[in-house]
Amino acid sequence: AQTVTQSQPEMSVQEAETVTLSCTYDTSESDYYLFWYKQPPSRQMILVIRQEAYKQQNATENRFSVNFQKAAKSFSLKISDSQLGDAAMYFCAQNRDDKIIFGKGTRLHILP
Amino acid sequence: DVKVTQSSRYLVKRTGEKVFLECVQDMDHENMFWYRQDPGLGLRLIYFSYDVKMKEKGDIPEGYSVSREKKERFSLILESASTNQTSMYLCASSLFSRDTQYFGPGTRLTVL
Repeated sequence: AQTVTQSQPEMSVQEAETVTLSCTYDTSESDYYLFWYKQPPSRQMILVIRQEAYKQQNATENRFSVNFQKAAKSFSLKISDSQLGDAAMYFCAQNRDDKIIFGKGTRLHILP
Repeated sequence: DVKVTQSSRYLVKRTGEKVFLECVQDMDHENMFWYRQDPGLGLRLIYFSYDVKMKEKGDIPEGYSVSREKKERFSLILESASTNQTSMYLCASSLFSRDTQYFGPGTRLTVL
């Protein structure tokens, strides 16, 4: 069965610092999508960043970037210059057939 | 912008009641999904639909059913609510089944 694993249930980072959230996945497919979603305390889940597996270049969205290691099946999220508004649950996800499989999440705290 | 709305943010029901959770999206998306979210378990897929009147079971369909009579609306039905169905329910939609999902704000259901 395909799984997505986030090994850090909870993390803290000082405001303005950089933090990296880890994610590993398991798939036998060669072409797939990977996602990072953010769920702030208001509970609306939003997409942070998306990576297509066939693209070698790591995706970037402003202060958010990923380190995609296809051979290692690793997909970590780096948040630079952390801000108080980055405090949230972060979910790593991968598509499987017609669905998306989510990890169990990492709760990120931003320390002022 | 894609907008996904859910009929209630908070709902309290009694054991044995029939419960309807409604989800509406305004972007003409083919695919719609229902998840439940529980602490430490992440998001688990209940049912999804890739077309009107079509439905597919997800990972935890027991105790639930769904209805999709119109493209924009996807309903989750708890035929006889039980206390173990107390949870946060999230609806999502996507244009392509493998691609980015857009989420509603969630319904926090409490079954007493």
